[in-house]
Amino acid sequence: NAGVTQTPKFQVLKTGQSMTLQCAQDMNHNSMYWYRQDPGMGLRLIYYSASEGTTDKGEVPNGYNVSRLNKREFSLRLESAAPSQTSVYFCASSVWTSETQYFGPGTRLLVL
Amino acid sequence: KNEVEQSPQNLTAQEGEFITINCSYSVGISALHWLQQHPGGGIVSLFMLSSGKKKHGRLIATINIQEKHSSLHITASHPRDSAVYICAVRAQGAQKLVFGQGTRLTINP
Repeated sequence: NAGVTQTPKFQVLKTGQSMTLQCAQDMNHNSMYWYRQDPGMGLRLIYYSASEGTTDKGEVPNGYNVSRLNKREFSLRLESAAPSQTSVYFCASSVWTSETQYFGPGTRLLVL
Repeated sequence: KNEVEQSPQNLTAQEGEFITINCSYSVGISALHWLQQHPGGGIVSLFMLSSGKKKHGRLIATINIQEKHSSLHITASHPRDSAVYICAVRAQGAQKLVFGQGTRLTINP
């Protein structure tokens, strides 16, 4: 099993460009999450999907949209990237929101 | 004040030392998690606990619900234990985790 996979691993964008970060899990988990990690700050939740067909805002949702495409896949879209969105993005999944989360390897995003 | 506070922020020790990392939180919780972030960036879950104590190899996690405090201990520390250790809590009735800022541990040979 691959666990949680994320693409791309690294991306450079110019301000105003759009992109989609992809996340997939093969563990048959119901819940999926998108986090960002910035220096000196803890992981912060952007959006999550408690189960297929639902999505909810986390702590820092502004400037992002998500799609739970199916049970396996949860994508994060930046419609108009800003330098403040330079960060490392982690996708995670769990059986349910009450259970242990499994993390992907992360995507390093630089917005110039 | 953050909901989850870890101490110390940085810890350097010699191989073989007994390590303690602390986590305090301010809300009633359903569960507390300890995670490890390797120097390469990958994050793995170490423990999820809601009471008492859990042990896995040289790692021990304890929680005191009344005092709103948890500790992560590492016995016989080794350079490969060098990582950032992260505490996270799920408040009662919540679906989301709130994370501490992490403790950077360096074990020198």
